[in-house]
Amino acid sequence: QQPVQSPQAVILREGEDAVINCSSSKALYSVHWYRQKHGEAPIFLMILLKGGEQKGHDKISASFNEKKQQSSLYLTASQLSYSGTYFCGTGPLSGAQKLVFGQGTRLTINP
Amino acid sequence: DVKVTQSSRYLVKRTGEKVFLECVQDMDHENMFWYRQDPGLGLRLIYFSYDVKMKEKGDIPEGYSVSREKKERFSLILESASTNQTSMYLCASSLLGGGHSPLHFGNGTRLTVT
Repeated sequence: QQPVQSPQAVILREGEDAVINCSSSKALYSVHWYRQKHGEAPIFLMILLKGGEQKGHDKISASFNEKKQQSSLYLTASQLSYSGTYFCGTGPLSGAQKLVFGQGTRLTINP
Repeated sequence: DVKVTQSSRYLVKRTGEKVFLECVQDMDHENMFWYRQDPGLGLRLIYFSYDVKMKEKGDIPEGYSVSREKKERFSLILESASTNQTSMYLCASSLLGGGHSPLHFGNGTRLTVT
């Protein structure tokens, strides 16, 4: 079952902050975040593993709450280059090797 | 840098044709995946492979099959193409399975079935 992302779309001005959420109905081992620009391949941003960790680089960070089976991606002081569609991918606690992706969140940053 | 190459960027096929989508990765990754991307539905897993000649069904395998005869190559086969298989197809590879390492995606093949 696909994780659910919210919001589906968000429009910001350059310099504003954004939060994208990813919720799963299943117990999770890992959460991945990817960004895809129009016409391009999705690009890996970060992985968070079971243990409730938080990660970040530059002005993009993420948290993983395994009890709530949720992850959030935080983009602070957004830049024009942050525009694109963001996908979370969830890896189950056990069983199959596969990663299941959410439906995506389209982020538009305007000058 | 990992490179995942999909043989065609755009493909137009007729209903009923047998279609082959090819994917090659150059980093000796064990795991390879085929996803389908449709607006509003995100990326849905069709099939994946964790070793040569090994394959497992994803969430939407109906109407598709796969082949992995060599480690670097993973092919998606549409046995008899139908219009509802018009979509963007993305191939990916990863070093480890189970979500333990990043997926590296190809640029995609946009398939139109008329």
